[in-house]
Amino acid sequence: NAGVTQTPKFQVLKTGQSMTLQCAQDMNHEYMSWYRQDPGMGLRLIHYSVGAGITDQGEVPNGYNVSRSTTEDFPLRLLSAAPSQTSVYFCASSYGFGSQQPQHFGDGTRLSIL
Amino acid sequence: AQRVTQPEKLLSVFKGAPVELKCNYSYSGSPELFWYVQYSRQRLQLLLRHISRESIKGFTADLNKGETSFHLKKPFAQEEDSAMYYCALSEGNNRLAFGKGNQVVVIP
Repeated sequence: NAGVTQTPKFQVLKTGQSMTLQCAQDMNHEYMSWYRQDPGMGLRLIHYSVGAGITDQGEVPNGYNVSRSTTEDFPLRLLSAAPSQTSVYFCASSYGFGSQQPQHFGDGTRLSIL
Repeated sequence: AQRVTQPEKLLSVFKGAPVELKCNYSYSGSPELFWYVQYSRQRLQLLLRHISRESIKGFTADLNKGETSFHLKKPFAQEEDSAMYYCALSEGNNRLAFGKGNQVVVIP
């Protein structure tokens, strides 16, 4: 199993551009989520999904859209990139949610917005 | 409001010295707490969960509901313990709240 795969690993965008960060998992996990990691801020939850067709907002959802058309994929879309969205983005998945379900993380996508 | 507090950003310890990373949480329900670790050039991964009451790589963490704490401890630090450590709280609503993290540097 590849686990959680994120693409691309690095990306540079200009302000106003759009792009999609891809996340795929091959573990048949129901729960998937996106975090951003910023220095001094830790990891903050952007959006999450408890199953195909179901998504919800996390702590910092503004400027980001998600969809979950399949169990395997959970893309994160930036519709109009802003410099404040410069960050490292992590996707995570688990069978369910709670103390028995550790989160499996991807390698991250380092995104710079100029 | 910060639900998980890790007060020290950077902790430098000598090899063989004890390590303690503090984590305090704010949650009115029954908390589920975790420690995650990110080694250099590796993925963030689960280190400990309070429900397991286990010792992993020499680390232990005890949930203290009275003090709302879940401090991570290791009696003798090793160089391979140098990493970023995050305390995390499951809030029971399918959300995992992370603290700001502790960068641990073990000095040989």
